[in-house]
Amino acid sequence: DIQMTQSPSSLSASVGDRVSITCQASQDISTNLNWCQQKPGKAPKLLIYGASNLETGVPSRFSGSGSGTHFTFTISSLQPEDIATYYCQQYDNLPLTFGGGTKVEIK
Amino acid sequence: HEQLVQSGAEVKKPGASVKVSCKTSGYTFTAYYMHWVRQAPGQGLEWMGIINPNSGSTTYAQKFQGRVTMTRDTSTSTVYMELNSLRSEDTAVFYCARPMAVAGTFAFDIWGQGTMVTVSS
Repeated sequence: DIQMTQSPSSLSASVGDRVSITCQASQDISTNLNWCQQKPGKAPKLLIYGASNLETGVPSRFSGSGSGTHFTFTISSLQPEDIATYYCQQYDNLPLTFGGGTKVEIK
Repeated sequence: HEQLVQSGAEVKKPGASVKVSCKTSGYTFTAYYMHWVRQAPGQGLEWMGIINPNSGSTTYAQKFQGRVTMTRDTSTSTVYMELNSLRSEDTAVFYCARPMAVAGTFAFDIWGQGTMVTVSS
């Protein structure tokens, strides 16, 4: 199985800050990576697919980059409504696997 | 309006089985595979498997092989996930999730609301 290592596991930042999360795959997964956001008690929501493609309707302050084994998810200007846990997910091979999650809080 | 509506919360004893339903609406049922994802309390997301609603064929994560069965009913546009031999570690929220139309992305743009399954004696 492909292991997805996400860091940090949590972060605290101020409104307006630039926030970045990294995801490292245990093997080359090309750009076969998605990012989702999960708020407490809710189902996850897709934000980025194919490493860098913004899902329809998702604010442009969210972005993704990377290929191979190293990926980055960025919120360019953190907003109060962005408080959530973010997960990366690889789809290069079954089983699909997720990173451990990054909990984002407001400082 | 594309939607997945799951069955309600369940409480089961260890060793029992649970069957969770996921009723789809607003799109062609047979056109999209369906996945199931598990999330234990306070934990991350774990992929369980996939069903092709057209053929009924399935692929399960090895961790759940032998204990999980995914089925579908095309007459009601509903998929089911049954998990057997439940243990306390199976206490979790179970989600059905449908991938987006962009081929091969396995990106879940539609999720069910989740079904909480509690396993307790």
